[in-house]
Parts: sequence; C-alpha cells; structure tokens
Amino acid sequence: DQQVKQNSPSLSVQEGRISILNCDYTNSMFDYFLWYKKYPAEGPTFLISISSIKDKNEDGRFTVFLNKSAKHLSLHIVPSQPGDSAVYFCAASEGGNKLVFGAGTILRVKS
Amino acid sequence: NAGVTQTPKFRVLKTGQSMTLLCAQDMNHEYMYWYRQDPGMGLRLIHYSVGEGTTAKGEVPDGYNVSRLKKQNFLLGLESAAPSQTSVYFCATQEYGYTFGSGTRLTVV
Repeated sequence: DQQVKQNSPSLSVQEGRISILNCDYTNSMFDYFLWYKKYPAEGPTFLISISSIKDKNEDGRFTVFLNKSAKHLSLHIVPSQPGDSAVYFCAASEGGNKLVFGAGTILRVKS
Repeated sequence: NAGVTQTPKFRVLKTGQSMTLLCAQDMNHEYMYWYRQDPGMGLRLIHYSVGEGTTAKGEVPDGYNVSRLKKQNFLLGLESAAPSQTSVYFCATQEYGYTFGSGTRLTVV
C-alpha cells in the first residue's frame, strides 16, 4: 500500500507556462515533505521542502503548497524551462528520517 | 553527486551469484540509506544505518544484507541474486538533507 502517491506518470508543458505536479499521502503522521528532481543516470537532487506547520514554501521559480486536511501537496514551477525536464519525486517523512517516495512524474517542457 | 560515491556503476549478475555494492561518503554523516528504484514504484528503502556499527531494515529488506563497519562506508550485499533484484540502487546520506549517489544499475539474468 503506497503511502505517497503521484497519480500522473507524466506531464507535458510549454516553455514559459506553469507546471503543476501533484502528490497525495495517506499517513497522517508525516510532518515533512520534499520534492526531488532526477535526471537520467544521476541520483535524485533536492529541490524544495515544506514542514507540516506551513502551507506554502517558495524558492525562486519553485513553490510547494501543502493542504493537510486533504493530505495533498503540489509543486508549481513558474515559468517552466526546458532544463526543468526531468523526473520529479515527492517524498514524505516523520521527523525527517526514512523518506517515503512516490512513483515519480516525468515532466517534459517543450520549447 | 559530490560526497557520495557508489561502486560499481553497472553490473550484470547471473541468478544465484553474489555481490556487494559499496557506498562511500566523505561528509561524516551519521545516517546512510540504501534505496532501490523500479519503474512505477519510486524509490523504496531497503536498509538504513543511523551510525557506525548499526543497521536496520527498511520497507523491502528481503534478499539483502548490509554492514556499516566504518562510518564512511555502507555496504549492500546480495547473497544469492534473483531476477527480481534487477533494479537501480541508490545510496544516500543524511545530515539535515539527503545527498544521493549516482546509482548502481544491476541486472540479474
């Protein structure tokens, strides 16, 4: 039973537009959420995170929104760039250890 | 990825063979993890360590063993490889955030 779900296997967006990647979780004990970006033949790299005490965190073009009542978070990328094309993983944890990952969403940004 | 080195990068094994994957870090982090990545499954935790001499099971530990004899190294062993262990394996260390290695692609035929 997957505790972290990314229901969209892929997403295609035009350059300059907004990319919205979604993630749902089932474990109400999760208190820390992260997004990772992964290019082929490389390990995941940290993108942005949010604590359960917040509902929004912003870092440049990247914003993560958390809706605890719906157990849902989303990553917004504005504006999207071709270099953003990668696999994006949502992850969650209790207390910051032992991350639980979603299956990932492949983002393609078309120029 | 700086600081976490995985060896080998690629390996093909025959069913029943054994091998050890090495993860080495130079960041003096206490926590180390082994994950496997499979299509449609994301990354799943195999085993982890919270410090030198400690290991613990993750979500999918069956068929694997680990050792953390030195703080900087975390070894993942497959005693008798099975085709179901064909995967990409990632090691990660943790201080405040996670740092991942570049992965080991293992094929068991």
